[in-house]
Amino acid sequence: NAGVTQTPKFRVLKTGQSMTLLCAQDMNHEYMYWYRQDPGMGLRLIHYSVGEGTTAKGEVPDGYNVSRLKKQNFLLGLESAAPSQTSVYFCASSYSMPSGGGNEQFFGPGTRLTVL
Amino acid sequence: GDSVTQMEGPVTLSEEAFLTINCTYTATGYPSLFWYVQYPGEGLQLLLKATKADDKGSNKGFEATYRKETTSFHLEKGSVQVSDSAVYFCALRGSGNTGKLIFGQGTTLQVKP
Repeated sequence: NAGVTQTPKFRVLKTGQSMTLLCAQDMNHEYMYWYRQDPGMGLRLIHYSVGEGTTAKGEVPDGYNVSRLKKQNFLLGLESAAPSQTSVYFCASSYSMPSGGGNEQFFGPGTRLTVL
Repeated sequence: GDSVTQMEGPVTLSEEAFLTINCTYTATGYPSLFWYVQYPGEGLQLLLKATKADDKGSNKGFEATYRKETTSFHLEKGSVQVSDSAVYFCALRGSGNTGKLIFGQGTTLQVKP
């Protein structure tokens, strides 16, 4: 099993350009998440999905859109990139769980995005 | 809202030294608590977890005990190795069924031979 994979690994954009980051998981997980990691700020949740066809906003959703058309894929889109979106983006997935459950999230290797 | 606070780094230790990384949290209800580790250039991996008060999570020589009375989940290891050099994140998952995690800011550990 590949686990959680992310495409691309690196990308440089100019301000105003658009792009889509792809996350794929082969563990049949219901839940998927997109985080951004910035120095000194830990990981912050952008958007998440609790099942195919569903999405919801996280802590820092502005400037991003997501789609979950297939259970195994979760796409993160930047319609008009800004320098403030320079970051490392991580995708994660987990099994669905009852309230308070201890199921872990499995993380992809990350995408390093620079917006000039 | 829920939050996690970790001790600031970087933490620099010599090999075989004792490690403590402090983590405290604020949450309503009974959160589950996690420590994740991120090695250079990689994604995060679960190191250990605890789902209720007084639980002790352990893995690879690392331990952390869920202390509800002090709202803490400090990470400890008796003898660190160079290979333990990484960034360590404390996280909590609160009530609700979305599985969302709240992360601390991360603590960088550097172990010197």
